[in-house]
Amino acid sequence: KAGVTQTPRYLIKTRGQQVTLSCSPISGHRSVSWYQQTPGQGLQFLFEYFSETQRNKGNFPGRFSGRQFSNSRSEMNVSTLELGDSALYLCASSLDPGRKETQYFGPGTRLLVL
Amino acid sequence: TQLLEQSPQFLSIQEGENLTVYCNSSSVFSSLQWYRQEPGEGPVLLVTVVTGGEVKKLKRLTFQFGDARKDSSLHITAAQPGDTGLYLCAGGPAAGGTSYGKLTFGQGTILTVHP
Repeated sequence: KAGVTQTPRYLIKTRGQQVTLSCSPISGHRSVSWYQQTPGQGLQFLFEYFSETQRNKGNFPGRFSGRQFSNSRSEMNVSTLELGDSALYLCASSLDPGRKETQYFGPGTRLLVL
Repeated sequence: TQLLEQSPQFLSIQEGENLTVYCNSSSVFSSLQWYRQEPGEGPVLLVTVVTGGEVKKLKRLTFQFGDARKDSSLHITAAQPGDTGLYLCAGGPAAGGTSYGKLTFGQGTILTVHP
């Protein structure tokens, strides 16, 4: 079974631009969570989608948004990019997180904002 | 807010040595997952523990979940250079509430095993 895939793997943008990242979960997985990873803050939760609905959101500004499609694929968007948005963006999928469901991570998208 | 304190942050050891990484919290977690991450890649799942007091073994790696489900440890026996990497613990939200899909991560332990 194919793992979680993320595209693109690398991205360079300038301040003020916007960016869209894509995530395809493991086949049959209906929940997708997004995380931001930086050296200083570690992995921080952005949001989670299940059945096209955002069920949970972390402490990030409104510039960070996402959506999920009927095939469970998910996208996240960051508008008006800032230098501090440079990070590795990870998505993870699970059957349905419930409370104990394991999350499987994709390889990430490395975003560099200049 | 749930927090996970992971220690040590850095470990540099010689091949063949044993080591233990700890994750501690004042919060109860429904599960505890351990991941290993290589530079520029996503975390790869090593194990999930869900029952207080549970012990799981994966070859030379032993994982334990505390009785109260607030802490966990990862023990590696006879470390090898191939064990080098970033080790992350992550707690699943406790029952109740609406913390769907949110894992709380420790800061990570960078392990270097020298040949």
